[in-house]
Amino acid sequence: EDKVVQSPLSLVVHEGDTVTLNCSYEVTNFRSLLWYKQEKKAPTFLFMLTSSGIEKKSGRLSSILDKKELSSILNITATQTGDSAIYLCAVVYFTSGTYKYIFGTGTRLKVLA
Amino acid sequence: SAVISQKPSRDICQRGTSLTIQCQVDSQVTMMFWYRQQPGQSLTLIATANQGSEATYESGFVIDKFPISRPNLTFSTLTVSNMSPEDSSIYLCSVEAWADYGYTFGSGTRLTVV
Repeated sequence: EDKVVQSPLSLVVHEGDTVTLNCSYEVTNFRSLLWYKQEKKAPTFLFMLTSSGIEKKSGRLSSILDKKELSSILNITATQTGDSAIYLCAVVYFTSGTYKYIFGTGTRLKVLA
Repeated sequence: SAVISQKPSRDICQRGTSLTIQCQVDSQVTMMFWYRQQPGQSLTLIATANQGSEATYESGFVIDKFPISRPNLTFSTLTVSNMSPEDSSIYLCSVEAWADYGYTFGSGTRLTVV
């Protein structure tokens, strides 16, 4: 069965800490992996990863894909209270003639001042 | 990337009634997707809406419960019919943005059924 698993489920840190969020997947015909930040209702796009070993970076956030290990990590350095959110990982794969997305259950991050 | 206007933002509904959620996209898109996110859960695809054809529903979701309209390339509606408290969720519409940007989501509808 195709699945996406994120860990940890929740995390509480203090401002300035660095966090690493994990996403592992089991799908056939993998296409890409995406990270989203969900603060209220609508997830906002962070990164799309398709190639192994190439880090994508945006400010204090970075992410990398390891196709051999079927996983990805999202790093947030120097965390701020505004980073508090649910971070969702989604995997895109090809099946039955179309692309489908599977979302993980997310990691709930809380950053304390 | 596309901008999606979704409404209502939230609603509290009586069981047995129906609610229609609307999504308007600022550009023409072939496919629109409807997701549900139950409390503490991740996003689950309800159906894919193509303009000019019947929506394609995922396992566990049926047209009678979640009828979808897609009258043109910029607009879609999802109706949650004969609601029960188990339908209390966030409902999101989305479109696939440019190749490097994954999905763009509407602002979401938080539905509470009492």
